[in-house]
Amino acid sequence: GAVVSQHPSRVICKSGTSVKIECRSLDFQATTMFWYRQFPKQSLMLMATSNEGSKATYEQGVEKDKFLINHASLTLSTLTVTSAHPEDSSFYICSVEPGQLFSNYGYTFGSGTRLTVV
Amino acid sequence: AQTVTQSQPEMSVQEAETVTLSCTYDTSENNYYLFWYKQPPSRQMILVIRQEAYKQQNATENRFSVNFQKAAKSFSLKISDSQLGDTAMYFCAFIYGNQFYFGTGTSLTVIP
Repeated sequence: GAVVSQHPSRVICKSGTSVKIECRSLDFQATTMFWYRQFPKQSLMLMATSNEGSKATYEQGVEKDKFLINHASLTLSTLTVTSAHPEDSSFYICSVEPGQLFSNYGYTFGSGTRLTVV
Repeated sequence: AQTVTQSQPEMSVQEAETVTLSCTYDTSENNYYLFWYKQPPSRQMILVIRQEAYKQQNATENRFSVNFQKAAKSFSLKISDSQLGDTAMYFCAFIYGNQFYFGTGTSLTVIP
């Protein structure tokens, strides 16, 4: 239970293009999902909280027009990096608020997406 | 504001030995959860152990145990009988409500 799938695991894109990253909860419904960014050898930095059926809540300093988040269903949240630039290259990780599964699984993380913008 | 501090950026331990990773946090809240997550080279975040703040008993999961000192706001992780597969980045994390606060991590290397 509480399995989270994140896709793709790696993506290389050209500067100026957009990239979509998917985060799916496979065996439970997730009202809330989280998107993190992790630089090499650093901690996870929360970018935004994604709520099903409503607008995402972005952390201070995160450009909402650059990082578009859509949480259209209880099992899927997407992060789209628009007009990507080399400085957007990073490791992006999603996490899912587990609801009733918290007592057994805590918060579950996706396997991450390594984005490289060239 | 909530903060989590891991003062040991890197540590190493001989295989089969015991190692303790330190973590302190700061909060004015009374009911919260604390976690240790492991991030191996694959970058997958794996839950190691967690502690509810209202429980006085220290959590234990097989070779992993914590020393939770609520008054001191300390939450250290002890790994017994270290194995090569324990080599990873370890993050201490605090959660209140839905908000996660991560420490900066400790890179642990188990030496054969």
